Amino acid sequence: QVQLQQSGPGLVKPSQTLSLTCAISGDSVSSNSAAWNWIRQSPSRGLEWLGRTYYRSKWYNDYAVSVKSRITINPDTSKNQFSLQLNSVTPEDTAVYYCARSPLRDGGLNLQHWGQGTLVTVSS
Amino acid sequence: QTVVTQEPSLTVSPGGTVTLTCASSTGAVTSGYYPNWFQQKPGQAPRALIYSTSNKHSWTPARFSGSLLGGKAALTLSGVQPEDEAEYYCLLYYGGAQGGVFGGGTKLTVL
Repeated sequence: QVQLQQSGPGLVKPSQTLSLTCAISGDSVSSNSAAWNWIRQSPSRGLEWLGRTYYRSKWYNDYAVSVKSRITINPDTSKNQFSLQLNSVTPEDTAVYYCARSPLRDGGLNLQHWGQGTLVTVSS
Repeated sequence: QTVVTQEPSLTVSPGGTVTLTCASSTGAVTSGYYPNWFQQKPGQAPRALIYSTSNKHSWTPARFSGSLLGGKAALTLSGVQPEDEAEYYCLLYYGGAQGGVFGGGTKLTVL
């Protein structure tokens, strides 16, 4: 049974970096059959897929065009978790952030397992 | 910027049938976009219902089905139940350069 547990601050100042972590149980971040995704949701932007990391002999990342210049998703194999970093945040980045697991086939966006969500507010 | 469009809202009577659609600004939606459908209720994370156009999860009620219809992805609910009142989102895959794009969601009211 895969479970994802998110952690990270709920308040970030404008221009700073948003950092969240998603701890995995019931699977491995290094699995060659899974992708590890970040998604966010806000009233103004709706649901937005941000990006993913996955391992297939080496590590790969895919990022949404809208955040490509500001986002990094990293695996941490020693702690079996993965992280989201979003740089230079503005109030527009205020949202509920989710991590999610998807099987790495058929586009790899079958987001079967979700974290609990973290509300991140960007405000001074 | 790619846009995925869904009906903003639909209303259906209990026991009725309703079809939600998902269109892409890039053209016809095909199986190569691997359409996914999610249900979200207030205060909860989205829950996967359909993947790769028409495949159901073990937890997906039989009354939900996915298909391609007139150049769009479609989610049909047959024999709607009151508990199906929720927001429904589609997610299309645009390849590694762009990844996934969600639709704006359809608020389904059962009345």
